[in-house]
Amino acid sequence: DQQVKQNSPSLSVQEGRISILNCDYTNSMFDYFLWYKKYPAEGPTFLISISSIKDKNEDGRFTVFLNKSAKHLSLHIVPSQPGDSAVYFCAASVVTSGSRLTFGEGTQLTVNP
Amino acid sequence: DGGITQSPKYLFRKEGQNVTLSCEQNLNHDAMYWYRQDPGQGLRLIYYSQIVNDFQKGDIAEGYSVSREKKESFPLTVTSAQKNPTAFYLCASSVLQGPQYFGPGTRLTVT
Repeated sequence: DQQVKQNSPSLSVQEGRISILNCDYTNSMFDYFLWYKKYPAEGPTFLISISSIKDKNEDGRFTVFLNKSAKHLSLHIVPSQPGDSAVYFCAASVVTSGSRLTFGEGTQLTVNP
Repeated sequence: DGGITQSPKYLFRKEGQNVTLSCEQNLNHDAMYWYRQDPGQGLRLIYYSQIVNDFQKGDIAEGYSVSREKKESFPLTVTSAQKNPTAFYLCASSVLQGPQYFGPGTRLTVT
């Protein structure tokens, strides 16, 4: 049972434009959501998180939106840069159950110069 | 320099041998985790520990064992019972209910 799903395995955008990465979840108990960026053969890097009490969180070029009724979150990167090319994972947890995360399968973002 | 270290970066073993992967953190995090990543897939949780001398099975614990004798260290042993041990193994740590921070990973190849 895939509780966190990223339906797009890949996304290609032009430098300077917006990148939108999407993630859906099925477990209504999830109340904390995170995005990670990963380069090949390296560990994931934490980017941004959002609690279920919010619907938006912004950090520089990165904004995460949460739509609880649709069980959907998205990561917006504006403007996109070639260095943003990586695999992006969304993850979710139930805070009262500790920090155990459930990850999506990842989306490969390619930003073309 | 604070962070999470995993060693070695690459590890090769013969089938039937147990192998232990190292994970150390100096972030003073209470919780530590082990994941594996296979090509084209997300991260799957093997084991996690929220306090010294205690740990819990994740989603794919069969064929693996861990110990948590010190707060800073959470070694993972891949036993001969693990049917498909070749993978990229990632260790992470966090404060409780905070984001997880990952080490650089160990690529294990079993032939």
